[in-house]
Amino acid sequence: TQLLEQSPQFLSIQEGENLTVYCNSSSVFSSLQWYRQEPGEGPVLLVTVVTGGEVKKLKRLTFQFGDARKDSSLHITAAQPGDTGLYLCAGLEGSGGGADGLTFGKGTHLIIQP
Amino acid sequence: ETGVTQSPTHLIKTRGQQVTLRCSSQSGHNTVSWYQQALGQGPQFIFQYYREEENGRGNFPPRFSGLQFPNYSSELNVNALELDDSALYLCASSPRPGGEQFFGPGTRLTVL
Repeated sequence: TQLLEQSPQFLSIQEGENLTVYCNSSSVFSSLQWYRQEPGEGPVLLVTVVTGGEVKKLKRLTFQFGDARKDSSLHITAAQPGDTGLYLCAGLEGSGGGADGLTFGKGTHLIIQP
Repeated sequence: ETGVTQSPTHLIKTRGQQVTLRCSSQSGHNTVSWYQQALGQGPQFIFQYYREEENGRGNFPPRFSGLQFPNYSSELNVNALELDDSALYLCASSPRPGGEQFFGPGTRLTVL
C-alpha cells in the first residue's frame, strides 16, 4: 500500500508570511496532484506535476515535484486569509493505467490570520 | 460546461439500512471514481468505473458496489450500513483512467 505523508498537519500563520507544505512517500508516482478543500466541499484541483524536478507556479503558489517523483512541496508566498483551507496532495501510481485511483495524504490544515 | 454534481447533499440513515448516492460526471468525461473521506482524513479510493465497467477497486468490502450508466453518470450503493460508514462521499470524473480528476461537492452520510 502506497502512503503519502504530509507535513505539517496544522499550520497557523500571520498574513504576509511565507510557508511550505511537504508531501513525502517511499513510492514513485507517475503524477502528483495538489488540491485545496473547504469545509463541507469537494477538493478543488490546483495543479498536476508529472516530470521529476518539475516546478509549476500558480500566482503566489509554487509547486515542485521531486527528482525521483517520490515527494513534492507547495510553497506559498505572502499568504492571504483567502489561502485558508485544507491542502491535500494525491499521487497516481505508475502502473495500472490509473485504475488504482489517487492515493491521498491526510492533508495540511492551513489558517492565515489577518 | 457543467462540473461534477452529486446528490443528495446530506443523508441520514440507520445501521443496517442501504443507501444509494448519485453522481453526474463533467461533460466529456468517461471515467468516474468514488472516494470516502472520514472526518479529519484524506479521501480514500473506493472504486473506479470506465465505460460502464469497474476498472479498479480500493480496500473496501463487497457491500460497497457501484454502477456507471451509458451517459457516464454513476451510483454508489452501500448495503448493511455500519456506524463507521459515516463520512463525506466524493465522486470525481476524469477524461480517461489516469487523467486529472475533478471532484464534486460530495454527499455527507451520517449513520446512526
